[in-house]
Amino acid sequence: EDQVTQSPEALRLQEGESSSLNCSYTVSGLRGLFWYRQDPGKGPEFLFTLYSAGEEKEKERLKATLTKKESFLHITAPKPEDSATYLCAVHQRGMGIKAAGNKLTFGGGTRVLVKP
Amino acid sequence: DSGVTQTPKHLITATGQRVTLRCSPRSGDLSVYWYQQSLDQGLQFLIQYYNGEERAKGNILERFSAQQFPDLHSELNLSSLELGDSALYFCASSVELAVSEQFFGPGTRLTVL
Repeated sequence: EDQVTQSPEALRLQEGESSSLNCSYTVSGLRGLFWYRQDPGKGPEFLFTLYSAGEEKEKERLKATLTKKESFLHITAPKPEDSATYLCAVHQRGMGIKAAGNKLTFGGGTRVLVKP
Repeated sequence: DSGVTQTPKHLITATGQRVTLRCSPRSGDLSVYWYQQSLDQGLQFLIQYYNGEERAKGNILERFSAQQFPDLHSELNLSSLELGDSALYFCASSVELAVSEQFFGPGTRLTVL
């Protein structure tokens, strides 16, 4: 069964203290890995899609990288407004018309709190 | 604002009842996805519709059903509700049939008493 594990579960940072979040996955035939940001009581907000090992994407203070077994979300010099839960999700290659692979499998998320 | 709308925002009901959650996708998006998010289970995929047809199923209970209408809005029907069905229900939409960037709505918080 597909597994997506995020660590740590929670992260407390001082403003300006850079850190990394980990997303490890065990799927066969990865078609894409997605990062989302979710604020309390709101829907997830799309950040990045990564498709192949070695790929990197950046947006403001966030940088996502991908290897064959895991992805990292690096937060550089975070600000309090970066406080949120960060979710990763994988899309697995599926088979059949109603393939179970036509879905995202989400990890449990990492709750990030950035204190001023 | 993602462009995806969901109604109602909050719903409080009793066990055994039936409710309907509604979702309007972003303009131009043909795929609609439903997710359930609870504290212990995280974000779980329920079902996907594309242009009116069911295209993928996840961990959706038999008591739950969904449909997508010709105007592309979607409804998720939850029946014989149990306490454990209390959760946030999100709708997401995307342009394509295959998984791509999904844009999530604000969610409906369901409380079953």
